[in-house]
Amino acid sequence: AQKVTQAQTEISVVEKEDVTLDCVYETRDTTYYLFWYKQPPSGELVFLIRRNSFDEQNEISGRYSWNFQKSTSSFNFTITASQVVDSAVYFCALSEAGSGNTPLVFGKGTRLSVIA
Amino acid sequence: DAGVTQSPTHLIKTRGQQVTLRCSPKSGHDTVSWYQQALGQGPQFIFQYYEEEERQRGNFPDRFSGHQFPNYSSELNVNALLLGDSALYLCASSLFSRLGEKLFFGSGTQLSVL
Repeated sequence: AQKVTQAQTEISVVEKEDVTLDCVYETRDTTYYLFWYKQPPSGELVFLIRRNSFDEQNEISGRYSWNFQKSTSSFNFTITASQVVDSAVYFCALSEAGSGNTPLVFGKGTRLSVIA
Repeated sequence: DAGVTQSPTHLIKTRGQQVTLRCSPKSGHDTVSWYQQALGQGPQFIFQYYEEEERQRGNFPDRFSGHQFPNYSSELNVNALLLGDSALYLCASSLFSRLGEKLFFGSGTQLSVL
């Protein structure tokens, strides 16, 4: 069975601090996809990144970076020099490869508060 | 290019009533998925529609049903509402043929059952 664990329920940082959001996943498939989504107060889930199980390259996009390690089944997300606008709930999600779109399994999310 | 739109944004119902939520997918998308997000939890998959058929279903009772129309829009129906059905209902659209496709989400319908 698939499972995504985000152990950090809430994190509070001061603006300009770096912060890392942890994600650990479980799956029996060898082919799968990992995602991070951001949910601001408006409620809409905003896509941040997708990574497939064969691509362990870390990725950096502006102030955001992702560290994917299959050996530890982790897909962690780091925000560098955090800003107040980064305040939101962040979800890590997993989908297994199959015919068509397989559903996303989400973690419970980490609420990030960035204080000015 | 309009994204995923959902209506209504908020809804208040009483126990035992029935409710219908609506979703229009992003232009060019043919698949609609519905998720339920309880307060403080991650979204949980309800079901997915493609070619007007339910293709996959999560662990939800038969009180939850849906429909997809020829224009790819979709409805989620919940019968015999329970207090526990209070949640944010999110619609997501995608292309069925693309594996590992990212989902585009609407802003959701906040359902309160009293």
